[in-house]
Amino acid sequence: DGGITQSPKYLFRKEGQNVTLSCEQNLNHDAMYWYRQDPGQGLRLIYYSQIVNDFQKGDIAEGYSVSREKKESFPLTVTSAQKNPTAFYLCATSEVTGGTGELFFGEGSRLTVL
Amino acid sequence: SQQGEEDPQALSIQEGENATMNCSYKTSINNLQWYRQNSGRGLVHLILIRSNEREKHSGRLRVTLDTSKKSSSLLITASRAADTASYFCATLNTGGFKTIFGAGTRLFVKA
Repeated sequence: DGGITQSPKYLFRKEGQNVTLSCEQNLNHDAMYWYRQDPGQGLRLIYYSQIVNDFQKGDIAEGYSVSREKKESFPLTVTSAQKNPTAFYLCATSEVTGGTGELFFGEGSRLTVL
Repeated sequence: SQQGEEDPQALSIQEGENATMNCSYKTSINNLQWYRQNSGRGLVHLILIRSNEREKHSGRLRVTLDTSKKSSSLLITASRAADTASYFCATLNTGGFKTIFGAGTRLFVKA
């Protein structure tokens, strides 16, 4: 099946630890995104990538890092520098060439800092 | 930064009634999209309306766009309990690449 797979679905972390959230897609989309969602709120863009080996900061990149070594994969690392990391994290993809900007989402990863 | 503002923040209706949600945005856009999110799940794309369109239909969904007022509305007709979800508007800015989301409207449809 074509789609976006995020893992893990739930993750617990102690303060001071880095964690990495996985996002894999088989839609052959060029662009990939990471959004953060807090309870009762909309989505805020963390990082995005239009092409392999290139990525740009979104609106709330501080305390996060990403890599894009393969077209299919866009992992997000939540570092200890992120002051309030407890949130729901969503990965998305879109076509670039000829695309409308429509986003396709994974099922999300819920991170809780203990 | 939030581009869209949805109104109302929450809406509770009876099954069979129509639900209307509004969205306002701030900058010039290429298109405006509506997404649905069931609790604890990812978002699903519902409908897209381009900046040169005024109205669009898809099944029980009707979207309008008024670029002079920088606003859009989503109408769900003959609502069902299964329509219970959060609905978000999102805009792709003219010449831009980022899609920016509003805070969403939480819809509850009572059976």
